[in-house]
Amino acid sequence: ETGVTQTPRHLVMGMTNKKSLKCEQHLGHNAMYWYKQSAKKPLELMFVYNFKEQTENNSVPSRFSPECPNSSHLFLHLHTLQPEDSALYLCASSPDVGPSYEQYFGPGTRLTVT
Amino acid sequence: GENVEQHPSTLSVQEGDSAVIKCTYSDSASNYFPWYKQELGKGPQLIIDIRSNVGEKKDQRIAVTLNKTAKHFSLHITETQPEDSAVYFCAAGAMDTGRRALTFGSGTRLQVQP
Repeated sequence: ETGVTQTPRHLVMGMTNKKSLKCEQHLGHNAMYWYKQSAKKPLELMFVYNFKEQTENNSVPSRFSPECPNSSHLFLHLHTLQPEDSALYLCASSPDVGPSYEQYFGPGTRLTVT
Repeated sequence: GENVEQHPSTLSVQEGDSAVIKCTYSDSASNYFPWYKQELGKGPQLIIDIRSNVGEKKDQRIAVTLNKTAKHFSLHITETQPEDSAVYFCAAGAMDTGRRALTFGSGTRLQVQP
């Protein structure tokens, strides 16, 4: 596979469940990102990793827990979510951290919290 | 922090017509302005970008203009085709500063009517 892949593509979970989103990039990039996309709102940056180290956490609630075991894989662990957390969660990667580096996005995971 | 406003939120044009999407930004330190296109079921993809040392950039049917004094930039699509139908996001970033993330606008849904 090439590019950025995300699994699962769709996820429905109850507020008491624990689930994980997975992202994998095959581009040899060093930086990876999690974004939240809600209808008619700007893309909301959640976390940034560079060389497996977290470099940015945009005041994300602790019910979202990221993990980056290596530069190619990124996870988002979810627990005790709220209905307002329902959104499309996008993963992206770029050669390095910095606004001028093109970000390559995955197709996203559509999350519904019931 | 940076704030990016994008208008209109939806835009419908006839095939062959031109489409213009406008964005304004608030931070005068921003100097990099990419545009991303998101097709249904896919993640955003970079289509064109501009840096603050130029006022206009073209790539075939797509052009972007930047007015640093007024802090606004625009995307122009000429001779629109049905495959241009998508959601378009503008963004602003500040290279060579501590602000390493892009700030996105809320998106414009473009519908090209055949």
